[in-house]
Amino acid sequence: GESVGLHLPTLSVQEGDNSIINCAYSNSASDYFIWYKQESGKGPQFIIDIRSNMDKRQGQRVTVLLNKTVKHLSLQIAATQPGDSAVYFCAENSGGGADGLTFGKGTHLIIQP
Amino acid sequence: NAGVMQNPRHLVRRRGQEARLRCSPMKGHSHVYWYRQLPEEGLKFMVYLQKENIIDESGMPKERFSAEFPKEGPSILRIQQVVRGDSAAYFCASSPSGFETQYFGPGTRLLVL
Repeated sequence: GESVGLHLPTLSVQEGDNSIINCAYSNSASDYFIWYKQESGKGPQFIIDIRSNMDKRQGQRVTVLLNKTVKHLSLQIAATQPGDSAVYFCAENSGGGADGLTFGKGTHLIIQP
Repeated sequence: NAGVMQNPRHLVRRRGQEARLRCSPMKGHSHVYWYRQLPEEGLKFMVYLQKENIIDESGMPKERFSAEFPKEGPSILRIQQVVRGDSAAYFCASSPSGFETQYFGPGTRLLVL
């Protein structure tokens, strides 16, 4: 069936470097995308979202890029800090945000000192 | 403004017992979603509720699982006659409407012995 997936299960970066986490989706009807951060033992924390009428959105130290042509989503984290260590999930929704989200399996971001 | 609250945070049940998980949405949010997460996996959508109504239960197992969101009080996810395969983290999310960001609670970790 249609699903959202991530290319890399683990990403290791040096503190201070930029991180890029990628996500592929297969549902062409998806029109709302979200990135969540989940620390061990906690619930997912909203980072940033983007709707399909946009291809880029920026937040504080984070940028989400959406390429609808190849059904690809990425999260860029600038100047990675130790507190960024977590599992990052992309999620998508084909109802404009309504209904349940479809999550990918997650990428574990590890920050090296 | 308190976030989404879930209780209990940890729940241990023996096979055949019932598990009741509670979720209080953020203030002003009338839409609640339940998800299940197995270790090292993403979240899987279970059910979407508004006050007194089940909107989408396409992710709910057909037997033993039920959910409600009464006019007063928290949303309840109920699992009857639990089996070991029910062991997982159960997360609740809420949103102000069906077309806005979902914010997650800390989860309930269910362990079935």
